[in-house]
Amino acid sequence: DGGITQSPKYLFRKEGQNVTLSCEQNLNHDAMYWYRQDPGQGLRLIYYSQIVNDFQKGDIAEGYSVSREKKESFPLTVTSAQKNPTAFYLCASTPRTGSGELFFGEGSRLTVL
Amino acid sequence: QQQVKQSPQSLIVQKGGIPIINCAYENTAFDYFPWYQQFPGKGPALLIAIRPDVSEKKEGRFTISFNKSAKQFSLHIMDSQPGDSATYFCAARLSGSARQLTFGSGTQLTVLP
Repeated sequence: DGGITQSPKYLFRKEGQNVTLSCEQNLNHDAMYWYRQDPGQGLRLIYYSQIVNDFQKGDIAEGYSVSREKKESFPLTVTSAQKNPTAFYLCASTPRTGSGELFFGEGSRLTVL
Repeated sequence: QQQVKQSPQSLIVQKGGIPIINCAYENTAFDYFPWYQQFPGKGPALLIAIRPDVSEKKEGRFTISFNKSAKQFSLHIMDSQPGDSATYFCAARLSGSARQLTFGSGTQLTVLP
């Protein structure tokens, strides 16, 4: 079955540590996205990538980094520079850039201790 | 101008009731308005969507009403069921943008049996 796989589902991190969240898709989609979800704030765009080896900052990119070395993979690193990293992180992809139809993974919940 | 304002933040109805979730926007360059449904611990999934040249769209028990002049749109759930209990997000797509969607803040719906 095609879909988006995010791992790990739950992650605990100590302050000052970097952590990388994995996102893999087998939908053959070109565009991939990372969103952060906090209670009462909806989904906020962190980074997006329309094609391999290219990505753009979203609305809340500070303290995060990404790479897009393969079409199927779009990992997100939450760095120690991110002031409030505890959140639910969602990866998504779309078959057509700008279509408005996003396919989401099941998310990764990061808790900073 | 990029915001989509969603209300209410939470909603509780009895089984069979008709919950209504409202969204408003300012940017007239938005050209596609989807609703996403999210169950606890899962990623959002596209539920129903509408374009601004249509005033209403129905899919099963879900209906979107769109008022272009007022820049408002709403989701109605007919004959609501406990299985409809979820968080609902409205969203809007900026025409020609690769950034995909601007999301509302979400409404947590509880349908009591």
